[in-house]
Amino acid sequence: EAQVTQNPRYLITVTGKKLTVTCSQNMNHEYMSWYRQDPGLGLRQIYYSMNVEVTDKGDVPEGYKVSRKEKRNFPLILESPSPNQTSLYFCASSLKGGNQPQHFGDGTRLSIL
Amino acid sequence: GEDVEQSLFLSVREGDSSVINCTYTDSSSTYLYWYKQEPGAGLQLLTYIFSNMDMKQDQRLTVLLNKKDKHLSLRIADTQTGDSAIYFCAESIRLPGANNLFFGTGTRLTVIP
Repeated sequence: EAQVTQNPRYLITVTGKKLTVTCSQNMNHEYMSWYRQDPGLGLRQIYYSMNVEVTDKGDVPEGYKVSRKEKRNFPLILESPSPNQTSLYFCASSLKGGNQPQHFGDGTRLSIL
Repeated sequence: GEDVEQSLFLSVREGDSSVINCTYTDSSSTYLYWYKQEPGAGLQLLTYIFSNMDMKQDQRLTVLLNKKDKHLSLRIADTQTGDSAIYFCAESIRLPGANNLFFGTGTRLTVIP
């Protein structure tokens, strides 16, 4: 089944403790992206990747890092999480480019205390 | 990012039609999308329209695009309780070196039995 898988689905952690949210897609998509969803703000793009070893900042990249060593994986790294990063995070992928229909994961709810 | 605006809430009675509206700012958008988010789930692509089209119909869904006014709408005929969800409008922009998707704030549709 074609899907985008995120892990974990839920995480409660404390300020400053490094964490990684994994994202994997099995559709051989070139484009992958991370968004955060906050009430009244919709989805805002954090980082995106056009292909392996190609990543770029979205609208709200501060406090996040990403890597794209393999086509299928696009982990989101919070080196020193802070409470303002408490949010619902979505990973998405599309065949080529962000303007094509994107397939979304089920989301990761992060709470930073 | 680009400005994509939607009203936050809409309530309709079961069986009535729902119309969800969206305005966007960038006239160079290529595709415009409607996504549906059910509670606890990721975003599911409902439909999309290419920017040179005025209308697209898909079963109970009708998308209207007024490019002059930069206005997009989604009409759901015979709205059912299962249509209760958050609906996101998104526009795709062809940026140099990348193609990205910009989301509205989402409209929470509540269907009253």
